[in-house]
Amino acid sequence: GAVVSQHPSWVICKSGTSVKIECRSLDFQATTMFWYRQFPKQSLMLMATSNEGSKATYEQGVEKDKFLINHASLTLSTLTVTSAHPEDSSFYICSAREPPIRTTSYEQYFGPGTRLTVT
Amino acid sequence: QKEVEQNSGPLSVPEGAIASLNCTYSDRGSQSFFWYRQYSGKSPELIMFIYSNGDKEDGRFTAQLNKASQYVSLLIRDSQPSDSATYLCAVNDYKLSFGAGTTVTVRA
Repeated sequence: GAVVSQHPSWVICKSGTSVKIECRSLDFQATTMFWYRQFPKQSLMLMATSNEGSKATYEQGVEKDKFLINHASLTLSTLTVTSAHPEDSSFYICSAREPPIRTTSYEQYFGPGTRLTVT
Repeated sequence: QKEVEQNSGPLSVPEGAIASLNCTYSDRGSQSFFWYRQYSGKSPELIMFIYSNGDKEDGRFTAQLNKASQYVSLLIRDSQPSDSATYLCAVNDYKLSFGAGTTVTVRA
């Protein structure tokens, strides 16, 4: 089955620094990747949709200058949290979708997540 | 994002019983529906998806869809302690819109 990896699995950083999270599709080409954030005991909230070779589309209320997304290849998308603050501490999860010509299910394959703690 | 409502639970069922999870959605035009299971501290994993009205069975899981009522459910038969998790209903119209999730506890 389709596998999506994330790196790192957890990271601790100091307030004011930037953190980059990588999301890779290991055995398929993902034209579209999605970035979610999940706070404790809450559901997943979509942050942005990332299409290879184009700018990401951010959901309402998500600061595009704070959460930089780059989808430079069909297998890699990155999320950079800039000038991180303690309120950015969360579980960040990416997902990837195969091109619709390969599947009709619009199924998304989730990465294992990255737990970010900002001190 | 589209609205997806779930009973927040928690839902506690004895081992071997049937766990019934419900979900409603706001957009009558939604076409595909997914159930994910999420263990604490882990990312969601897909259990089932359903597109057509009626029932779809996969092992101990049965998804039911009623588009007229904008309602989708998940039944877990012969519940096991390993089924204890949060179950997320999602509407997938290119982007996934998740419900808040229902936490299920299976008592041994």
